[in-house]
Amino acid sequence: GQNIDQPTEMTATEGAIVQINCTYQTSGFNGLFWYQQHAGEAPTFLSYNVLDGLEEKGRFSSFLSRSKGYSYLLLKELQMKDSASYLCAVRMHGSSNTGKLIFGQGTTLQVKP
Amino acid sequence: GAVVSQHPSWVICKSGTSVKIECRSLDFQATTMFWYRQFPKQSLMLMATSNEGSKATYEQGVEKDKFLINHASLTLSTLTVTSAHPEDSSFYICSALASSSSYEQYFGPGTRLTVT
Repeated sequence: GQNIDQPTEMTATEGAIVQINCTYQTSGFNGLFWYQQHAGEAPTFLSYNVLDGLEEKGRFSSFLSRSKGYSYLLLKELQMKDSASYLCAVRMHGSSNTGKLIFGQGTTLQVKP
Repeated sequence: GAVVSQHPSWVICKSGTSVKIECRSLDFQATTMFWYRQFPKQSLMLMATSNEGSKATYEQGVEKDKFLINHASLTLSTLTVTSAHPEDSSFYICSALASSSSYEQYFGPGTRLTVT
C-alpha cells in the first residue's frame, strides 16, 4: 500500500521558522508536491521536488531525499496568514498513473502572535 | 495561470436524490481530470481519474455506479453522486492536468455537498 506520514498539528510563533516533515513509502515515485490549503478552499501549489536537494522560493523551501523517502517544507518569517493545512503529496509513476497524486493526511499549522 | 472552475460551489440535497458537479478548465485543455473527496479535518482522497473520451478509473473502495464520472470534452468533467445519502456529505474537489508531460495539477475551488 501507499503510506505518507506528516505530523497532524504544529504551532509556531509569528516571525519564526517552522519545518514540516513528510515521510513516504509508495509503490512508485515521480515527484513530491507541497500544497497549502485554507479551510474550505482548494489546495494551492507551493513546491515540487523530483530530484534530491533543496528548492527555494521566497519564504518557502522544500527538500527531498529520495533514498530516505523524506521531504520537508520550511517556512521562514512566519506570518499569521500562513496558518493553514500543508499537504504533502507523492506523484505516482507509470503510464497508468499519469499525474496521479497520493496525499498525506496534512499538517495543520497554527501561527500565534 | 491556469484556472479550473467548479459548479456549484455548494449544494444541499435530500437523501435519495442525485447531484451533478461540473469541473471546467477555463483557459486550457485538460487531458486528464481527477476527482477528490475531503472529509472535515482530513486530507484529499482520490476517487477517480478521468480521461477525455474514455471510462474513468476508480480507486479501490469507490463505487463507480454511485459516483458517475463523465469526461465528455477536454474542458469538462462531471461527477454525479447518485442516490445521495448523508454519509456522502463532503467537500468534492477536482483538478486538471494540462498534458501527460505536465507535472502540475490545477485545482478547482471545490463543491460542498450536504445531504439531508
